[in-house]
Amino acid sequence: QQQVKQSPQSLIVQKGGISIINCAYENTAFDYFPWYQQFPGKGPALLIAIRPDVSEKKEGRFTISFNKSAKQFSLHIMDSQPGDSATYFCAANTGFQKLVFGTGTRLLVSP
Amino acid sequence: DAGITQSPRHKVTETGTPVTLRCHQTENHRYMYWYRQDPGHGLRLIHYSYGVKDTDKGEVSDGYSVSRSKTEDFLLTLESATSSQTSVYFCAISESKAAYTEAFFGQGTRLTVV
Repeated sequence: QQQVKQSPQSLIVQKGGISIINCAYENTAFDYFPWYQQFPGKGPALLIAIRPDVSEKKEGRFTISFNKSAKQFSLHIMDSQPGDSATYFCAANTGFQKLVFGTGTRLLVSP
Repeated sequence: DAGITQSPRHKVTETGTPVTLRCHQTENHRYMYWYRQDPGHGLRLIHYSYGVKDTDKGEVSDGYSVSRSKTEDFLLTLESATSSQTSVYFCAISESKAAYTEAFFGQGTRLTVV
């Protein structure tokens, strides 16, 4: 049973476009929601994260939107670049930095 | 990259054999974790450690054991490897248990059980 549901499974976006990845969760005890970026052959690396008492967090071209009442959060990548092509995972902290992950979204940004 | 070294990076083993994966960190972080990554499942927590000799089970701990005798080393052992344990294994470290602390991941170990 996936505690964090992520969609879409894959995404193709043109260079300069907006990439949007969505996640939903059920457990209201989750207290931290990071997004990880993973390139082939590498480990996941933290991209951006948000606390549940904040509705939006922006870092450069990356924005997390958080809807606590709907138990949903999403990652927006503005002005997507070919270098953004990677797999993205949403996650939630269950305590002690034990993370539950979504199933991942493979993003391809076409030139 | 955070100072995390996983070894070996690749391993092929036969069903029924024991396998030990090693995670070594140079960051002196207290918390260490083992995850496995499989298509369609994302990453799932196997075991974690909150200090030397202090470990606990994660979501998918059956068939795995861990040990941590030193702050810097966290070992994952498959007592008798099965084909269902073919996966990519990631070690992660965290400085604090506080909610907003970043977890850093190693480069992974690709294990194939034949």
